[in-house]
Amino acid sequence: EIVLTQSPATLSLSPGERATLSCRASQSVGSYLAWYQQKPGQAPRLLIYDASSRAPDIPARFSGGGSGTDFTLTISSLEPEDFAVYYCQQRSNWPRITFGQGTRLEI
Amino acid sequence: QITLKESGPTLVKPTQTLTLTCTFSGFSLSTNRVGVGWIRQPPGKALEWLAIIYWDDDKRYSPSLETRLTITKGTSKNQVVLTMTNMDPVDTATYYCAHRRALLNAMDAFDIWGQGTMVTVSS
Repeated sequence: EIVLTQSPATLSLSPGERATLSCRASQSVGSYLAWYQQKPGQAPRLLIYDASSRAPDIPARFSGGGSGTDFTLTISSLEPEDFAVYYCQQRSNWPRITFGQGTRLEI
Repeated sequence: QITLKESGPTLVKPTQTLTLTCTFSGFSLSTNRVGVGWIRQPPGKALEWLAIIYWDDDKRYSPSLETRLTITKGTSKNQVVLTMTNMDPVDTATYYCAHRRALLNAMDAFDIWGQGTMVTVSS
């Protein structure tokens, strides 16, 4: 079973700084990786799919990279509304889908 | 505009069967590469994928819950139903249904989510 490990668990930064979040897969998932943002009381929001493709209406400050087992989500310059929890998610043959445990980005 | 909404009981007793319905609009589940998934989130915890059904009626389940889950297309063409048997207090969570983005490749990414429905398991 493919396990996704996100690091760090919590990231403390200030507005305007650059954020780099990591997601590591226990086996290769190719480029089948997505990133989501979740704010308190809200459903998750798709940010990135296919490891590096931005979803519609997602600001250009969000970018994804990596392939195989190591992936990153980068926020180039943090805005106040970016402080949230971020999840990575993979797609493979088995299990079809798994999520990471999340990274909390706090001010 | 794609929308999804979950409905079902807010409270179930241990050992009971949970039935949740996802009612959607703005897309057809018979369109190529479309799918609907279910994901849950216990209070204060991470997202957990449960099941997905595709346009061609292919179905996949979380290995840890596969024996308890069934996902089907509803009797109405704009519904997907998830049943989970033998409910336990650890199944207390917000349950979301979500639209699978119809990409050209095999990637499963959920681009539109319902608001979620909180289900509590307690006697």
